[in-house]
Amino acid sequence: GAVVSQHPSWVICKSGTSVKIECRSLDFQATTMFWYRQFPKQSLMLMATSNEGSKATYEQGVEKDKFLINHASLTLSTLTVTSAHPEDSSFYICSARLAGEQYFGPGTRLTVT
Amino acid sequence: AQSVTQPDIHITVSEGASLELRCNYSYGATPYLFWYVQSPGQGLQLLLKYFSGDTLVQGIKGFEAEFKRSQSSFNLRKPSVHWSDAAEYFCAVVASYDKVIFGPGTSLSVIP
Repeated sequence: GAVVSQHPSWVICKSGTSVKIECRSLDFQATTMFWYRQFPKQSLMLMATSNEGSKATYEQGVEKDKFLINHASLTLSTLTVTSAHPEDSSFYICSARLAGEQYFGPGTRLTVT
Repeated sequence: AQSVTQPDIHITVSEGASLELRCNYSYGATPYLFWYVQSPGQGLQLLLKYFSGDTLVQGIKGFEAEFKRSQSSFNLRKPSVHWSDAAEYFCAVVASYDKVIFGPGTSLSVIP
């Protein structure tokens, strides 16, 4: 149990376009999900907290207009990278909380050309 | 502010040797602590966790970790390393509002 999936697992997009990444809790409901970003050979940095039915809470330094988060249901949160640029290329990982424990998705590799 | 440090950026050990990865945290309350492993290009796999109780925690793949409140440490150990253990290891603490704060990671290389 407690499986979190992400789609797509990898995506390549052109600079200036937008890309949407989905995070789903497959067998449980999650009122709160988290989005992380990981640059090559670096640690995971929390970007934002996604709350079902309300606005996301962004960490300091994360552009909320660039990284749009929507948590429309108890099993789905989406991260949309708007007007993507090469510097947005990264590994994006989501997690969902259940009974005090975090369950992580497998990650999405974004490459912006 | 809550934080996690992992003093060793990279460690190399011989296969069959013992391993200890260091982790220190900064958190005012009783911490929830985790160790994760990540293979290249892959997601995170939970090795073990500490919430309360016995300070010596057993995890998967033969790993264990010991919580020492007096030293604010949660070091990961394995008595005999296998070549497949080569990966990136992250220590993490659950901070306020359930946010997980990760350490910078320790890269483990294993010499056959």
